[in-house]
Amino acid sequence: AQTVTQSQPEMSVQEAETVTLSCTYDTSESNYYLFWYKQPPSRQMILVIRQEAYKQQNATENRFSVNFQKAAKSFSLKISDSQLGDTAMYFCAFMNGNAGKSTFGDGTTLTVKP
Amino acid sequence: DTGVSQDPRHKITKRGQNVTFRCDPISEHNRLYWYRQTLGQGPEFLTYFQNEAQLEKSRLLSDRFSAERPKGSFSTLEIQRTEQGDSAMYLCASSSVRYEQYFGPGTRLTVT
Repeated sequence: AQTVTQSQPEMSVQEAETVTLSCTYDTSESNYYLFWYKQPPSRQMILVIRQEAYKQQNATENRFSVNFQKAAKSFSLKISDSQLGDTAMYFCAFMNGNAGKSTFGDGTTLTVKP
Repeated sequence: DTGVSQDPRHKITKRGQNVTFRCDPISEHNRLYWYRQTLGQGPEFLTYFQNEAQLEKSRLLSDRFSAERPKGSFSTLEIQRTEQGDSAMYLCASSSVRYEQYFGPGTRLTVT
């Protein structure tokens, strides 16, 4: 069974600063996908970024980038130039290679302070 | 593209009653997922469909839970003989070949 661990329940960052959210996972599979999702206070989950395990290059989406360390089973999210709208709960998620079951971490609540 | 919709948004029921939730995925998505989320926790996988086939079901689900996706379009999740522990947000998501999931707004269930 896969497990996903987010060790930082809460984090805060000043507006315009950079913050990194941590995620580690455990799996015996070689083919899988990793995601970061954002859940703002209105509670609808939104995809932030995805990473295929077979790709060595780290994914980037505008101000969001990941540091994917496959051997260490680590998948951290870096948010650059933090904005007030980035305030949300962030979930790291693992999906197995057949795009079936997903396992989510318990989330990190990020607060961006003005 | 209207996104994933769920109905109802809120449901209050008495213990022992049956409830049914509906999810309408994004039209071109062939995969549909159900999750349960309690406050302060991440979504917990319940079940997954590819088209009309239910391919995976969590062992956490008891026999009181059932899901269907007739004709590979909308899906329903039924909970029979509800218990207070079933109180949670029930999330539906759909995905295409790229696998990233698009979530609906959820149905909040309160069992009294």
